[in-house]
Amino acid sequence: DIQMTQSPSSLSASVGDRVTIACRASQSIRTYLAWYQQKPGKAPNLLIYKASTLESAVPSRFSGSGSATEFTLTISSLQPDDFATYYCQQYSGSPYTFGQGTKLEIK
Amino acid sequence: EVQLAETGGGLIQPGGSLTLSCAASGFTVINDYMGWVRQAPGKGLEWVSIVYSDGRTEYADSVKGRFTISRDIAKNTLYLEMNTLRVEDTAMYYCVRTGGGFFDHWGRGTLVTVSS
Repeated sequence: DIQMTQSPSSLSASVGDRVTIACRASQSIRTYLAWYQQKPGKAPNLLIYKASTLESAVPSRFSGSGSATEFTLTISSLQPDDFATYYCQQYSGSPYTFGQGTKLEIK
Repeated sequence: EVQLAETGGGLIQPGGSLTLSCAASGFTVINDYMGWVRQAPGKGLEWVSIVYSDGRTEYADSVKGRFTISRDIAKNTLYLEMNTLRVEDTAMYYCVRTGGGFFDHWGRGTLVTVSS
């Protein structure tokens, strides 16, 4: 199975900050990587797929990059609505595994 | 508009069975990959099962042999039959539509609690 490891597990930041979350795969997944945002009590929401393709209606301050085993999610200027938990997920093959999550909190 | 609505969760004793349903609208389940993802209380996301458009199914090792995913074309509904339930199966279960492996639409979830 492919293991997905996110860092950091938690992060404190302020409105307007630039934030980067890393995701590492235990083996190459090419660009079969997605990012999700989850707010408390809600279902996750797809932000990015194919490592860097922004899902429709997702604000352009979100961006993704990377390939093979190293990936990043960047929020260029944090907004109050962005404080949430973020997950990466590989879909190179079954089982479709998620990272453990990164909780983004207000500083 | 794509919508997914799960039902069927509840409190069940260890060893019991439960079937979750997911009514889909805005698209046809037979034409897309569909699946289930769960989240234990306070924990991260765990993929459970997928059914491909050609009918093939796959399962996480943690549920293989105990859970069965299926579709009803006439009702445009996805199911997850869960048998021999364990305390560690306690979670919010989300129905998902997949865009080729990533999950582009999620239901609101249905909570399954396995406890004596």
